[in-house]
Amino acid sequence: QQQVKQSPQSLIVQKGGISIINCAYENTAFDYFPWYQQFPGKGPALLIAIRPDVSEKKEGRFTISFNKSAKQFSLHIMDSQPGDSATYFCAASGGTYKYIFGTGTRLKVLA
Amino acid sequence: DVKVTQSSRYLVKRTGEKVFLECVQDMDHENMFWYRQDPGLGLRLIYFSYDVKMKEKGDIPEGYSVSREKKERFSLILESASTNQTSMYLCASSSGSPWATEAFFGQGTRLTVV
Repeated sequence: QQQVKQSPQSLIVQKGGISIINCAYENTAFDYFPWYQQFPGKGPALLIAIRPDVSEKKEGRFTISFNKSAKQFSLHIMDSQPGDSATYFCAASGGTYKYIFGTGTRLKVLA
Repeated sequence: DVKVTQSSRYLVKRTGEKVFLECVQDMDHENMFWYRQDPGLGLRLIYFSYDVKMKEKGDIPEGYSVSREKKERFSLILESASTNQTSMYLCASSSGSPWATEAFFGQGTRLTVV
C-alpha cells in the first residue's frame, strides 16, 4: 500500500518531442505528489509538485496531470531538450513525513 | 541558497568496518532522512528523524543505525559494513510543516565496500 509504481524504466525521445512518465499509488492518505529530477553525480532536486485538489499543474515545459479517482499521476515534458536528459523520480507523501519514491525513469533526449 | 551537505562524495571501506556517513543541513529543518539509491530500485528509505534524538525505521533499516544529537546533523552508521551495502546514499531534509513539503537532497555519498 505504500508503493509508488513508476513507468517506463527508460525513455528515449527526439528533441522537440513530448516525454511522458507515469506513476500510480494505492494509499489514499497521500496528499503531496512531487517529481524530482536527478543529473549524474547530483542529488535529486524538486522539479514540480501537485496536491490532489487540482488535476493539473504546469510550470514552463513541465506539466503534472493528476487523476485522483484512478490514483495515477504523470509528468509531461513538452518540447523535450537534450538538457532534460536525466533520471526522474515520482514520489508521494502524506499522513507521515515520509516520502515514498518510484523506481525512477532514465530519460534520454536525442539531439 | 539552501544546503544539505554530505561529508564525503566517495568512500571505500572494508568488510566488517564500522562506517559513519554524516549529513548537515542549514535550513533549520525538523525532518531528516537517509535514502539508499540502487539502479532499478529507486530511492529506498533507511531511517528518518522528525526531531532531535527521535528516529523511525524506514523500509530497509537492517544493518544500519542513525544518530541525531543536534537538529542540523543526521548520521548514518553501518555497524559492520558488508558488500551488499555498496550503494549511493542520499541524505535529505524537509520542514516540519503539517503539510508535506519539498525535500532537499545532498549530493550523495557513493560507498563501496570491498
